[in-house]
Amino acid sequence: NAGVTQTPKFQVLKTGQSMTLQCAQDMNHEYMSWYRQDPGMGLRLIHYSVGAGITDQGEVPNGYNVSRSTTEDFPLRLLSAAPSQTSVYFCASSYLQGLGYGYTFGSGTRLTVV
Amino acid sequence: SQQGEEDPQALSIQEGENATMNCSYKTSINNLQWYRQNSGRGLVHLILIRSNEREKHSGRLRVTLDTSKKSSSLLITASRAADTASYFCATDAGQAGTALIFGKGTTLSVSS
Repeated sequence: NAGVTQTPKFQVLKTGQSMTLQCAQDMNHEYMSWYRQDPGMGLRLIHYSVGAGITDQGEVPNGYNVSRSTTEDFPLRLLSAAPSQTSVYFCASSYLQGLGYGYTFGSGTRLTVV
Repeated sequence: SQQGEEDPQALSIQEGENATMNCSYKTSINNLQWYRQNSGRGLVHLILIRSNEREKHSGRLRVTLDTSKKSSSLLITASRAADTASYFCATDAGQAGTALIFGKGTTLSVSS
């Protein structure tokens, strides 16, 4: 049981390039979300999804696109990378069952835009 | 903007001492969670307290919640060097369980 898998772990992009950060979960969790963490800061919510085909914006959505075609995958797309998008990106999956719910986080993707 | 604001931003203590960190939030909540992050690593869930609870314990951790003041505190008793990490509070972004809003965190350093 792998949990939440993020690829790649490290990436260097040039300004203006595009790329997709991959996130996959094998726990059949209904919900998935993306966060970015800048140095000395907490995580900030970028986008999230409450199910296949349903996504919504978080705190800092500009410059990022998401889609959710399957329960397992929730890729994050950078359309035209900017140095301000240099950050560590975390993906999470979560579930809600009755009064209980839980989150599982991936190990992160460290992105540098030069 | 981030929901929670932790206080202090940084805390340095000796092994065996207690560490207390506080979190304030802005909107009404269903519950509040605390996470730990070791340097350069992912997040580890520590404890969740529901809005109708005032105090919760888990091992050396004690969390309190005051919804009237929109604040929570995390107490780590008898700290160990292995407790050195950043600690974040988090609340639901919307529907419970879908996504989280994090505070900026408290960096705890425990020296032996």
